[in-house]
Amino acid sequence: ETGVTQSPTHLIKTRGQQVTLRCSSQSGHNTVSWYQQALGQGPQFIFQYYREEENGRGNFPPRFSGLQFPNYSSELNVNALELDDSALYLCASSVGLAGLTDTQYFGPGTRLTVL
Amino acid sequence: GENVGLHLPTLSVQEGDNSIINCAYSNSASDYFIWYKQESGKGPQFIIDIRSNMDKRQGQRVTVLLNKTVKHLSLQIAATQPGDSAVYFCAETDNNAGNMLTFGGGTRLMVKP
Repeated sequence: ETGVTQSPTHLIKTRGQQVTLRCSSQSGHNTVSWYQQALGQGPQFIFQYYREEENGRGNFPPRFSGLQFPNYSSELNVNALELDDSALYLCASSVGLAGLTDTQYFGPGTRLTVL
Repeated sequence: GENVGLHLPTLSVQEGDNSIINCAYSNSASDYFIWYKQESGKGPQFIIDIRSNMDKRQGQRVTVLLNKTVKHLSLQIAATQPGDSAVYFCAETDNNAGNMLTFGGGTRLMVKP
């Protein structure tokens, strides 16, 4: 186990609704990244937070937003849910070494189903 | 990352044999590579990593080889066990990408007892 936790485990929503997913990073890690993994595909980068600031964003629309808190935990918010948002949402934490890529450790994910 | 839809490439090996999983990447600026293992219903689990200033790195029963000339990465698993059955992803990043990981499409490893 990595020490990265996510909640809830599973979630069912309907189109148009809003959802908030939560992540607690591993102790000592100040960087959190969020990924979307559709069935049968590799994870796709949504965005990353470093010391409470957004530090990079993938090709996702503005209705995907996030927050990082002083304790480095993080939230992913998705507004106006669409059927294609159904996926496994993964959170990964890393130490956050300035100027150097470092290993990201993943949580178990939240399975979101949009009906 | 690559989009291979619902049909992942599958590698089927006999228990005790060695497995080799391959990955091609496209970004010549990539400087850090990671192999992850993902079991059904779980998040990706870190296996081994390698930086671009190396061409080989060994762990416990696993070896990663990096060929930057042809942009190819491989994961070798020695004495494959049933517990190794999972989907394996390679991921890459570079300093300019702000630690954003780009994942390959994945390979399903099935170990026959």
